[in-house]
Amino acid sequence: KNEVEQSPQNLTAQEGEFITINCSYSVGISALHWLQQHPGGGIVSLFMLSSGKKKHGRLIATINIQEKHSSLHITASHPRDSAVYICAVRFNTDKLIFGTGTRLQVFP
Amino acid sequence: DTGVSQDPRHKITKRGQNVTFRCDPISEHNRLYWYRQTLGQGPEFLTYFQNEAQLEKSRLLSDRFSAERPKGSFSTLEIQRTEQGDSAMYLCASSVAGSRSYNEQFFGPGTRLTVL
Repeated sequence: KNEVEQSPQNLTAQEGEFITINCSYSVGISALHWLQQHPGGGIVSLFMLSSGKKKHGRLIATINIQEKHSSLHITASHPRDSAVYICAVRFNTDKLIFGTGTRLQVFP
Repeated sequence: DTGVSQDPRHKITKRGQNVTFRCDPISEHNRLYWYRQTLGQGPEFLTYFQNEAQLEKSRLLSDRFSAERPKGSFSTLEIQRTEQGDSAMYLCASSVAGSRSYNEQFFGPGTRLTVL
């Protein structure tokens, strides 16, 4: 059965802290996505990875294909980073299989 | 192009009624996906199209659900005889299918359905 697991489910941080959200999956994938969802539902794609590491501003995403694991890091976190972060993977078809998300709250 | 759009953004209906949602993808995108998200959960795949062809349907898509993309542009998702368990956010996404397998999906704002 294809599965995507995220941890932690909930995360609270003080402004400025370094944040790490983890994602693991059960079988080989063709790509992994990190998505951000704000209250109200809109989903924004942050990264799409098939190997290595990507960086965009204060966000860094890494993936280890052998270990079937990916991490999303946020450096110098800010209250506006508060959102749900979702990991999603593509296996052998084009549909996405999603994790349950990590709810991040950053306090000033 | 302003991205993927969905209409309506919110729908409240009574149990047993039929509802229809519309998704307009990014104009050059030939793939269109429907997902459903219930409160506190990640989205779940429902179905997807390449142009007019419906390529895959989830077992979640019962016979009360039907999706179409008649001209390969916008898509509609209809739910017949709605049940309270259908209350969810219905998300649409689109992408370009090409020679590369890593096709980024762009999401619409969603339609939130409440069945009373």
